Amino acid sequence: QKEVEQNSGPLSVPEGAIASLNCTYSDRGSQSFFWYRQYSGKSPELIMSIYSNGDKEDGRFTAQLNKASQYVSLLIRDSQPSDSATYLCAVRKTDKLIFGTGTRLQVFP
Amino acid sequence: DAGVIQSPRHEVTEMGQEVTLRCKPISGHNSLFWYRQTMMRGLELLIYFNNNVPIDDSGMPEDRFSAKMPNASFSTLKIQPSEPRDSAVYFCASSLGARGEQYFGPGTRLTVT
Repeated sequence: QKEVEQNSGPLSVPEGAIASLNCTYSDRGSQSFFWYRQYSGKSPELIMSIYSNGDKEDGRFTAQLNKASQYVSLLIRDSQPSDSATYLCAVRKTDKLIFGTGTRLQVFP
Repeated sequence: DAGVIQSPRHEVTEMGQEVTLRCKPISGHNSLFWYRQTMMRGLELLIYFNNNVPIDDSGMPEDRFSAKMPNASFSTLKIQPSEPRDSAVYFCASSLGARGEQYFGPGTRLTVT
């Protein structure tokens, strides 16, 4: 079992829809969770961090954490073609970040 | 504000040659991380430093890989000798504290022929 798992996609959504990206992790003791966006040929860019159960909103992005079920999700409201990218989930393990393989999101006009 | 700076951005070299990748972390950040990204293996942590001291190098694939951080504003990752399977994108990231949020540099795309 991988430590951090994501569906590789692609996840295709129409412009204006809500995109829902999911991630599960294996270490029940994990406390810190991050979402990175990576455009093709570019470096990962931190877009959200979440540390407590529940929702955290930042603009069109909402991160959701459920430690009991060991999953974290990212919702993107009013999806735009510019949101098309690979989204990486990362979970902290001691001082390290363990990354999932990423979900490719495609937003079509 | 300058982000993490990496050089070179692209490196093409022949098998057996020495390769040196460079990184300048964000000013004030005291933790630095070297990652490698490939299609097959995704993003993998190679080594990280805290206050210029290597803390965990368990991700370094072989003795051919070495990393140094002589001061708070500079780190190198060296591969000697390089092999075709080392071809990947190498990222450097920095954070304030080892458990702070990590910010990535633009990466170095290495091709070993």
